[in-house]
Amino acid sequence: GQNIDQPTEMTATEGAIVQINCTYQTSGFNGLFWYQQHAGEAPTFLSYNVLDGLEEKGRFSSFLSRSKGYSYLLLKELQMKDSASYLCAFMDSNYQLIWGAGTKLIIKP
Amino acid sequence: ETGVTQTPRHLVMGMTNKKSLKCEQHLGHNAMYWYKQSAKKPLELMFVYNFKEQTENNSVPSRFSPECPNSSHLFLHLHTLQPEDSALYLCASSQEREAYNEQFFGPGTRLTVL
Repeated sequence: GQNIDQPTEMTATEGAIVQINCTYQTSGFNGLFWYQQHAGEAPTFLSYNVLDGLEEKGRFSSFLSRSKGYSYLLLKELQMKDSASYLCAFMDSNYQLIWGAGTKLIIKP
Repeated sequence: ETGVTQTPRHLVMGMTNKKSLKCEQHLGHNAMYWYKQSAKKPLELMFVYNFKEQTENNSVPSRFSPECPNSSHLFLHLHTLQPEDSALYLCASSQEREAYNEQFFGPGTRLTVL
């Protein structure tokens, strides 16, 4: 079967670093996506990993280990505007996105 | 602004009403999607259209009826809904269906069924 899991909620301090983990199980895999969704707004694309390793984009980085069925999103130098939900999703062999329930990130001053 | 617009942004309807949700994308994409987002639950894929042809219907009740007149427009027709259908309905588009393309989402329609 297929499943995907991420923590429901995390809290971090402004200026700090936070890592949001995502684990998944699937027989067919075509990559893993991270999206950011502010309350009441559309999800917006952050990153895509299909090969193992770390992809860095400014303050955000995403890591993938296909053998472990594991990914994380790393956010550095946290800002208040980073308070949002972070959604991970893998693309299965039918090119369908299977979504996690999202991690609500709360940033405190 | 993602290039995907949805109307209305909010909708309240009774169980006997008929209403339609509209989605339009200005990105030149060929694939369009309807998702349902309920609180603290994963996004649920409802329908997929690729080059105007419906390619997936994920066991969605017949009270939801999609329509895709062209690659830029997508509708979701609603009739005799149930209170458990209250949710955020998101439209998305991507360049193609069978490729590693990111999906661009609209702001959603917040639907409340009384």
